[in-house]
Amino acid sequence: DIQMTQSPSFLSASVGDRVTINCKASQNINRYLNWYQQKLGEAPKLLIYNANSLQTGIPSRFSGSGSGTDFTLTISSLQPEDVATYFCLQHNSWPWTFGGGTKLELK
Amino acid sequence: QVQLKESGPGLVQPSQTLSLTCTVAGFSLTSYNVHWVRQPPGKGLEWMGVIWNTGGTRYNSALKSRLSISKDTSKSQVFLKMNSLQTEDTATYYCAREGRGGIRGTDYWGQGVMVTVSS
Repeated sequence: DIQMTQSPSFLSASVGDRVTINCKASQNINRYLNWYQQKLGEAPKLLIYNANSLQTGIPSRFSGSGSGTDFTLTISSLQPEDVATYFCLQHNSWPWTFGGGTKLELK
Repeated sequence: QVQLKESGPGLVQPSQTLSLTCTVAGFSLTSYNVHWVRQPPGKGLEWMGVIWNTGGTRYNSALKSRLSISKDTSKSQVFLKMNSLQTEDTATYYCAREGRGGIRGTDYWGQGVMVTVSS
């Protein structure tokens, strides 16, 4: 199974900060990586698919980059409504596997 | 709009069988694949399996011997059955739709249903 190592596990940042979250795959997954946002009590929401494509309706402050084994989710200017847990999903190989999640809070 | 909603018992006794239903709206199960994912409290997400739009299935090998996924297309429902439950199967269970076209991976998820395995 492909292991997805996500960092950091916890992140505290201020409104307006640039925030980056990373996922590292244990082997090449090409660009088959998605990023999701999950707010407390809500369904996970797709933010970025195929490493760098912004899902429809998602604010442009969210962006994704990377390929192969190293991937990054960037929030260019943190907003209060971005407080959530973020996780990555690799869908290159079976079984699909997830990063451990990053809990983002406001400082 | 696209919606998925999981339902099932909140409490299951050890060694018993878990039965969950994912009721979908806004799309057809004849056109989209649906996945099941679970998350034990305080732990990461685990992909469990998928039912293809054609009705075929694929399971996580770690669960394959205990897991069955099926669907009733006419009722827009996907079913998960997992037997021989143990306390470590306590988790929130999610169903999620797989994207089509350019969107790979899952694009819409349900809110999840919490299942506790306990006597």
